[in-house]
Amino acid sequence: AQKITQTQPGMFVQEKEAVTLDCTYDTSDQSYGLFWYKQPSSGEMIFLIYQGSYDEQNATEGRYSLNFQKARKSANLVISASQLGDSAMYFCAMKYTGANSKLTFGKGITLSVRP
Amino acid sequence: NAGVTQTPKFQVLKTGQSMTLQCAQDMNHEYMSWYRQDPGMGLRLIHYSVGAGITDQGEVPNGYNVSRSTTEDFPLRLLSAAPSQTSVYFCASSYGPGDIKYNEQFFGPGTRLTVL
Repeated sequence: AQKITQTQPGMFVQEKEAVTLDCTYDTSDQSYGLFWYKQPSSGEMIFLIYQGSYDEQNATEGRYSLNFQKARKSANLVISASQLGDSAMYFCAMKYTGANSKLTFGKGITLSVRP
Repeated sequence: NAGVTQTPKFQVLKTGQSMTLQCAQDMNHEYMSWYRQDPGMGLRLIHYSVGAGITDQGEVPNGYNVSRSTTEDFPLRLLSAAPSQTSVYFCASSYGPGDIKYNEQFFGPGTRLTVL
């Protein structure tokens, strides 16, 4: 069974600084994908970044990068140059390759950006 | 494209009432899912479908029914609402199997349900 762990209770970062949001996962499958979603106070779920288990490079999307350490089973999200609009809940999720594979979410981390 | 749409956005029910949360997508996605979000619990999968006519249970299916008669629609039925079903409900869709990268879930805006 898949399991995603996000244990940071809440994070604070100063505007323009970088912040790392932690995510560890547990799976016995070799082929899987890791996703990060952002949920602002308005409630919608916004896809941020994806990392495949066989990808050799860490994924990057603008100010978002994923620090993928396969041996440690961690997929931490790094947000560079934080902005006030980054204040939100962030969810890590995982899905393995398979016809009936389901996306499993962690419990989320709240990030607050201070001006 | 409208993407994933959900109706209603808000709903208040009394215990024992039934209702259907509607979900539709216009991206020709094979996969559709229903999640509920509760404080401190993340998103938990209720039911999902890998194609028209095929549905399966997720992590928390009790008290909910689904059907998938068309590719576009995936309604969620609450048979007899209970206060424990007070939650925010999200519908999501994605492409079918293949390159996992294209299995990104596209989410609807959510339905906030309160059961009194």
